[in-house]
Amino acid sequence: NAGVTQTPKFQVLKTGQSMTLQCAQDMNHEYMSWYRQDPGMGLRLIHYSVGAGITDQGEVPNGYNVSRSTTEDFPLRLLSAAPSQTSVYFCASSRQGVPVGELFFGEGSRLTVL
Amino acid sequence: AQTVTQSQPEMSVQEAETVTLSCTYDTSESDYYLFWYKQPPSRQMILVIRQEAYKQQNATENRFSVNFQKAAKSFSLKISDSQLGDAAMYFCAYPGGSQGNLIFGKGTKLSVKP
Repeated sequence: NAGVTQTPKFQVLKTGQSMTLQCAQDMNHEYMSWYRQDPGMGLRLIHYSVGAGITDQGEVPNGYNVSRSTTEDFPLRLLSAAPSQTSVYFCASSRQGVPVGELFFGEGSRLTVL
Repeated sequence: AQTVTQSQPEMSVQEAETVTLSCTYDTSESDYYLFWYKQPPSRQMILVIRQEAYKQQNATENRFSVNFQKAAKSFSLKISDSQLGDAAMYFCAYPGGSQGNLIFGKGTKLSVKP
């Protein structure tokens, strides 16, 4: 069972570079989301999607773009990386839509922006 | 904004002893789920236990149980017979974010002493 797969697991960027964090799930979940985790801050929602073609902003969306062309994939794009985006990023999916039920998480991606 | 508060940034317990992690939240909803997630050093987010707010009976999963007090909006996690493998960050969460997305507390770091 693959569950939620995130790539890459580690990435170092220079300020101003762009990149995409990939997320794929094989559980046919309609709901997918991206969180970032920073020390002492818990997990904060960046963007989420309730189905293919539908995305919306979370608590901290600035500097990030998402799209959802298929049920399985939900990539997160950093348009112009900044040091403030140094964080651990988690993709998560849920069988239940909003209000969200149990979230299934990927293993996380640690991003460092120099 | 609705919030989740974990008032204990760090806690410590002796192996085989019992420890309780606290969580309070703010909601005007009457029916929702509450969750406790564990994050060991591997970074993986693991669901520990789930409570349905409309059920009066407290949820139990092996050595983990909750003390759910709906009127007080309190959702504490009790770990009995603590084991070294219980050492981790623990996050409580509930669908209090915009559109019912899960919002997370800032976490409690649990250490287990042999």
